Amino acid sequence: DAGVTQSPTHLIKTRGQQVTLRCSPKSGHDTVSWYQQALGQGPQFIFQYYEEEERQRGNFPDRFSGHQFPNYSSELNVNALLLGDSALYLCASSLDRRVETQYFGPGTRLLVL
Amino acid sequence: DQQVKQNSPSLSVQEGRISILNCDYTNSMFDYFLWYKKYPAEGPTFLISISSIKDKNEDGRFTVFLNKSAKHLSLHIVPSQPGDSAVYFCAAGTGTASKLTFGTGTRLQVTL
Repeated sequence: DAGVTQSPTHLIKTRGQQVTLRCSPKSGHDTVSWYQQALGQGPQFIFQYYEEEERQRGNFPDRFSGHQFPNYSSELNVNALLLGDSALYLCASSLDRRVETQYFGPGTRLLVL
Repeated sequence: DQQVKQNSPSLSVQEGRISILNCDYTNSMFDYFLWYKKYPAEGPTFLISISSIKDKNEDGRFTVFLNKSAKHLSLHIVPSQPGDSAVYFCAAGTGTASKLTFGTGTRLQVTL
């Protein structure tokens, strides 16, 4: 049983570019949450998708957007990249939005130059 | 505004002894707390949780204590094992379906 998978594992972009990160949830999970983890910090909640809709959002600008597909997989899009967007982006899936069932993927490390 | 704080960035404990990791929070609306463990190049792994209606929850070698009046929780690992060496994050939320607010983590090193 595959856990949460994320692609790509690493990515290098330049300021002003756009990036799309992908996440496949653990089998049987229907909720996807995205987190940003800057160096030396804890993960920060970006948003959560359930039933293909954004259900909750953290304190991130509109440059951060997402999507959930009918198969529950999800994408995170970041427009107009800034140097400060360099971080590890974690995807977590859960069942019926229950955090105690939440599994994290290994993350995508984004470097913005 | 850091609503969840882990004031000890690192902790070193001998194998077999008790490890105590601490976490403080400021938001009185938090009613659900979790501890995660993270190894390098992996995502955080859920360890144990506690809701605000309890003051203790135990799972094997791991016990979480919650002191609501002090807005403080701690994770006890007894006995500590070398495989416990990792970064531990405390997280809090309001209700089990909520977004989580994480602390900055404590790096635990269990020595032989």
